[in-house]
Amino acid sequence: EPEVTQTPSHQVTQMGQEVILRCVPISNHLYFYWYRQILGQKVEFLVSFYNNEISEKSEIFDDQFSVERPDGSNFTLKIRSTKLEDSAMYFCASNSGGSYEQYFGPGTRLTVT
Amino acid sequence: SQQGEEDPQALSIQEGENATMNCSYKTSINNLQWYRQNSGRGLVHLILIRSNEREKHSGRLRVTLDTSKKSSSLLITASRAADTASYFCATPEGFNQGGKLIFGQGTELSVKP
Repeated sequence: EPEVTQTPSHQVTQMGQEVILRCVPISNHLYFYWYRQILGQKVEFLVSFYNNEISEKSEIFDDQFSVERPDGSNFTLKIRSTKLEDSAMYFCASNSGGSYEQYFGPGTRLTVT
Repeated sequence: SQQGEEDPQALSIQEGENATMNCSYKTSINNLQWYRQNSGRGLVHLILIRSNEREKHSGRLRVTLDTSKKSSSLLITASRAADTASYFCATPEGFNQGGKLIFGQGTELSVKP
Protein backbone atom coordinates (compact mmCIF):
# COMPACT_ATOMS: atom_id res chain seq x y z
CA GLU A 1 0.00 0.00 0.00
CA PRO A 2 1.41 3.44 -0.88
CA GLU A 3 2.60 5.48 2.07
CA VAL A 4 4.13 8.82 2.92
CA THR A 5 7.78 8.60 3.89
CA GLN A 6 9.89 11.12 5.78
CA THR A 7 13.60 11.54 6.39
CA PRO A 8 15.39 11.79 8.67
CA SER A 9 13.47 10.18 11.51
CA HIS A 10 15.40 12.25 14.04
CA GLN A 11 17.40 15.43 13.53
CA VAL A 12 19.43 17.17 16.18
CA THR A 13 20.64 20.67 15.39
CA GLN A 14 22.05 23.69 17.14
CA MET A 15 20.09 26.87 17.54
CA GLY A 16 20.55 29.15 14.56
CA GLN A 17 21.30 26.34 12.11
CA GLU A 18 19.27 25.58 9.03
CA VAL A 19 17.46 22.29 8.70
CA ILE A 20 15.67 20.65 5.82
CA LEU A 21 13.06 18.01 6.49
CA ARG A 22 12.19 15.76 3.61
CA CYS A 23 9.02 14.00 2.63
CA VAL A 24 7.92 11.81 -0.24
CA PRO A 25 4.12 12.04 -0.48
CA ILE A 26 1.94 9.39 -2.08
CA SER A 27 2.66 9.61 -5.78
CA ASN A 28 -0.68 10.55 -7.29
CA HIS A 29 -1.71 12.92 -4.51
CA LEU A 30 -2.28 16.58 -5.19
CA TYR A 31 -2.26 18.30 -1.81
CA PHE A 32 0.68 18.29 0.55
CA TYR A 33 0.93 19.49 4.12
CA TRP A 34 3.27 20.02 7.01
CA TYR A 35 2.05 19.77 10.58
CA ARG A 36 3.97 19.82 13.80
CA GLN A 37 3.41 18.45 17.27
CA ILE A 38 5.26 19.85 20.25
CA LEU A 39 5.71 17.16 22.88
CA GLY A 40 2.48 16.56 24.76
CA GLN A 41 0.50 19.02 22.68
CA LYS A 42 -1.95 18.83 19.81
CA VAL A 43 -1.02 18.48 16.17
CA GLU A 44 -0.84 21.94 14.57
CA PHE A 45 -1.15 22.84 10.92
CA LEU A 46 1.80 24.69 9.40
CA VAL A 47 1.28 24.90 5.65
CA SER A 48 -0.51 23.36 2.70
CA PHE A 49 0.77 23.18 -0.86
CA TYR A 50 -1.14 22.66 -4.06
CA ASN A 51 -0.33 23.16 -7.71
CA ASN A 52 3.26 24.13 -6.90
CA GLU A 53 2.41 26.90 -4.52
CA ILE A 54 1.42 27.49 -0.93
CA SER A 55 -2.36 27.37 -0.63
CA GLU A 56 -2.56 28.19 3.06
CA LYS A 57 -0.20 28.82 5.95
CA SER A 58 -0.64 29.29 9.66
CA GLU A 59 0.73 32.10 11.81
CA ILE A 60 3.44 29.68 12.96
CA PHE A 61 4.76 29.51 9.40
CA ASP A 62 6.73 32.74 9.44
CA ASP A 63 9.62 33.91 7.26
CA GLN A 64 11.93 31.36 8.83
CA PHE A 65 9.97 28.56 7.17
CA SER A 66 9.75 27.64 3.52
CA VAL A 67 8.52 24.69 1.51
CA GLU A 68 9.53 23.33 -1.84
CA ARG A 69 8.60 20.59 -4.22
CA PRO A 70 11.88 20.47 -6.13
CA ASP A 71 10.90 17.53 -8.32
CA GLY A 72 7.91 15.30 -8.92
CA SER A 73 8.33 13.32 -5.74
CA ASN A 74 9.95 15.24 -2.87
CA PHE A 75 8.35 17.84 -0.63
CA THR A 76 10.64 19.67 1.77
CA LEU A 77 10.29 21.94 4.76
CA LYS A 78 13.19 24.27 5.48
CA ILE A 79 13.72 26.14 8.71
CA ARG A 80 16.36 28.80 8.10
CA SER A 81 17.50 29.61 11.59
CA THR A 82 16.19 27.17 14.16
CA LYS A 83 15.05 28.23 17.60
CA LEU A 84 14.70 26.13 20.72
CA GLU A 85 10.92 26.34 20.39
CA ASP A 86 11.08 24.69 16.97
CA SER A 87 11.78 21.40 18.74
CA ALA A 88 8.85 19.21 17.82
CA MET A 89 7.70 16.28 15.73
CA TYR A 90 7.09 17.39 12.16
CA PHE A 91 4.62 15.45 10.07
CA CYS A 92 4.16 15.53 6.34
CA ALA A 93 0.79 14.54 4.91
CA SER A 94 -0.79 14.23 1.51
CA ASN A 95 -4.29 14.13 0.11
CA SER A 96 -5.51 12.83 -3.22
CA GLY A 97 -7.86 15.75 -3.79
CA GLY A 98 -10.76 13.34 -4.26
CA SER A 99 -11.53 12.86 -0.58
CA TYR A 100 -10.98 14.46 2.80
CA GLU A 101 -8.62 11.88 4.27
CA GLN A 102 -5.03 12.90 4.79
CA TYR A 103 -2.25 10.34 4.91
CA PHE A 104 0.55 11.07 7.30
CA GLY A 105 4.19 10.13 7.31
CA PRO A 106 5.93 8.73 10.40
CA GLY A 107 7.34 12.12 11.31
CA THR A 108 10.73 13.70 11.90
CA ARG A 109 11.64 14.46 15.47
CA LEU A 110 13.54 17.75 15.46
CA THR A 111 15.58 18.60 18.53
CA VAL A 112 17.13 22.06 18.71
CA THR A 113 19.83 22.48 21.34
CA SER B 1 -10.95 28.88 16.48
CA GLN B 2 -10.59 25.70 18.51
CA GLN B 3 -12.04 22.55 17.09
CA GLY B 4 -12.08 18.96 18.13
CA GLU B 5 -11.58 18.96 21.87
CA GLU B 6 -11.53 15.44 23.24
CA ASP B 7 -12.38 13.99 26.56
CA PRO B 8 -11.24 12.26 28.57
CA GLN B 9 -7.62 13.31 28.21
CA ALA B 10 -6.52 9.91 29.47
CA LEU B 11 -8.29 6.61 29.78
CA SER B 12 -7.02 3.39 31.31
CA ILE B 13 -8.94 0.13 30.89
CA GLN B 14 -8.44 -3.62 30.99
CA GLU B 15 -8.16 -5.72 27.88
CA GLY B 16 -11.58 -6.82 26.70
CA GLU B 17 -13.36 -3.71 27.97
CA ASN B 18 -14.83 -1.06 25.72
CA ALA B 19 -13.26 2.38 25.42
CA THR B 20 -15.25 5.49 24.60
CA MET B 21 -13.71 8.79 23.65
CA ASN B 22 -15.59 11.99 22.96
CA CYS B 23 -14.87 14.97 20.80
CA SER B 24 -16.55 18.35 20.57
CA TYR B 25 -16.16 20.98 17.91
CA LYS B 26 -17.37 24.51 17.39
CA THR B 27 -18.09 25.32 13.77
CA SER B 28 -20.06 23.66 10.98
CA ILE B 29 -18.28 20.73 9.45
CA ASN B 30 -18.47 18.60 6.34
CA ASN B 31 -17.00 15.58 8.09
CA LEU B 32 -15.12 14.50 11.17
CA GLN B 33 -12.19 12.11 11.22
CA TRP B 34 -10.49 10.03 13.88
CA TYR B 35 -6.79 9.28 13.86
CA ARG B 36 -4.60 7.06 16.02
CA GLN B 37 -1.04 7.81 17.04
CA ASN B 38 1.15 5.19 18.61
CA SER B 39 3.76 6.63 20.94
CA GLY B 40 6.29 8.68 19.00
CA ARG B 41 4.87 7.62 15.65
CA GLY B 42 2.83 9.10 12.84
CA LEU B 43 -0.92 9.50 12.61
CA VAL B 44 -3.00 6.72 11.15
CA HIS B 45 -6.39 7.51 9.67
CA LEU B 46 -9.07 5.36 11.29
CA ILE B 47 -12.45 6.49 10.09
CA LEU B 48 -14.31 9.42 8.55
CA ILE B 49 -17.92 10.23 9.26
CA ARG B 50 -19.78 12.70 7.09
CA SER B 51 -22.04 15.38 8.48
CA ASN B 52 -25.14 13.61 7.12
CA GLU B 53 -24.24 10.35 8.87
CA ARG B 54 -25.11 9.58 12.46
CA GLU B 55 -23.14 6.39 12.98
CA LYS B 56 -20.43 4.47 11.21
CA HIS B 57 -18.70 1.18 11.92
CA SER B 58 -15.34 -0.20 10.95
CA GLY B 59 -14.34 -3.49 12.54
CA ARG B 60 -14.25 -2.90 16.31
CA LEU B 61 -14.67 0.85 15.86
CA ARG B 62 -17.96 2.64 16.11
CA VAL B 63 -18.19 6.38 15.53
CA THR B 64 -21.21 8.55 16.16
CA LEU B 65 -21.79 12.13 15.15
CA ASP B 66 -24.35 14.53 16.58
CA THR B 67 -24.22 17.72 14.57
CA SER B 68 -26.85 19.40 16.76
CA LYS B 69 -24.54 19.02 19.76
CA LYS B 70 -21.39 19.38 17.68
CA SER B 71 -19.96 16.23 19.16
CA SER B 72 -18.66 12.84 18.14
CA SER B 73 -17.70 9.71 19.97
CA LEU B 74 -15.34 6.87 19.15
CA LEU B 75 -16.05 3.51 20.70
CA ILE B 76 -13.50 0.72 20.57
CA THR B 77 -15.07 -2.57 21.53
CA ALA B 78 -13.28 -5.55 23.06
CA SER B 79 -10.08 -3.55 23.45
CA ARG B 80 -6.65 -5.12 23.09
CA ALA B 81 -3.27 -4.11 24.44
CA ALA B 82 -2.34 -3.14 20.88
CA ASP B 83 -5.04 -0.45 20.97
CA THR B 84 -2.88 1.50 23.42
CA ALA B 85 -2.29 4.82 21.65
CA SER B 86 -3.46 8.41 21.49
CA TYR B 87 -6.65 9.05 19.58
CA PHE B 88 -7.41 12.38 17.92
CA CYS B 89 -10.44 13.75 16.24
CA ALA B 90 -9.87 16.15 13.39
CA THR B 91 -12.11 18.35 11.34
CA PRO B 92 -11.34 19.96 8.00
CA GLU B 93 -11.58 23.73 8.02
CA GLY B 94 -14.00 24.74 5.34
CA PHE B 95 -15.44 22.45 2.70
CA ASN B 96 -12.51 22.16 0.34
CA GLN B 97 -11.26 18.58 0.11
CA GLY B 98 -7.69 19.82 0.23
CA GLY B 99 -8.20 22.01 3.29
CA LYS B 100 -6.20 21.72 6.47
CA LEU B 101 -7.23 19.54 9.37
CA ILE B 102 -7.71 20.93 12.84
CA PHE B 103 -6.89 18.44 15.57
CA GLY B 104 -8.05 18.15 19.13
CA GLN B 105 -5.82 17.54 22.12
CA GLY B 106 -6.36 13.80 21.94
CA THR B 107 -7.24 11.03 24.35
CA GLU B 108 -4.42 8.83 25.60
CA LEU B 109 -5.75 5.29 25.85
CA SER B 110 -3.94 2.66 27.85
CA VAL B 111 -5.19 -0.92 27.61
CA LYS B 112 -3.73 -3.19 30.27
CA PRO B 113 -3.36 -6.89 29.48
